[in-house]
Amino acid sequence: DAGVTQSPTHLIKTRGQQVTLRCSPKSGHDTVSWYQQALGQGPQFIFQYYEEEERQRGNFPDRFSGHQFPNYSSELNVNALLLGDSALYLCASSLYGAETYEQYFGPGTRLTVT
Amino acid sequence: AQKITQTQPGMFVQEKEAVTLDCTYDTSDPSYGLFWYKQPSSGEMIFLIYQGSYDQQNATEGRYSLNFQKARKSANLVISASQLGDSAMYFCAMREGSARQLTFGSGTQLTVLP
Repeated sequence: DAGVTQSPTHLIKTRGQQVTLRCSPKSGHDTVSWYQQALGQGPQFIFQYYEEEERQRGNFPDRFSGHQFPNYSSELNVNALLLGDSALYLCASSLYGAETYEQYFGPGTRLTVT
Repeated sequence: AQKITQTQPGMFVQEKEAVTLDCTYDTSDPSYGLFWYKQPSSGEMIFLIYQGSYDQQNATEGRYSLNFQKARKSANLVISASQLGDSAMYFCAMREGSARQLTFGSGTQLTVLP
């Protein structure tokens, strides 16, 4: 049973550049959520995708955008990178109709903006 | 106001002893769920235990139990018989109403001493 996978593992970008992070959900899951975790803090919700649409969004600017594909995998795009975007980006998958809405997390992508 | 408060930035416990990690929450929604996750230094968030607001019994999963005190709005995690591998960051998180995103606390760094 494949868990949540994310790529790449690490990424170094320059301020002002754009970045795309990828996530494949756990087998059987149809919903993908993205979280940003700054160093020493808890994860913060960015947005959630279900049926290829953004369903909920946290308090993040429009520079953060995403996409979900028919196979349920997802991408997170960040434009015009700022130094403050340096963080661990976690993808979590879940089953939309599940009673507990339990989310399974991937290993994360560590983004460094210089 | 903070929705999830974890007041212990760091905790130490002797191997084989029990430890309690504190979590208080704030919500006006009668339907909510509380989660505990473990995050080792590798970065992946590992689901430990879930408690629904309408659950009558405290949740248990192996060595993990959740001490749910609804009136006090607390959901403390109890780890029995601590092991060296339990050393990690522990996060309490909440889902409110029909929302599917999680709100996390700031975490507690647990160190198990041999």
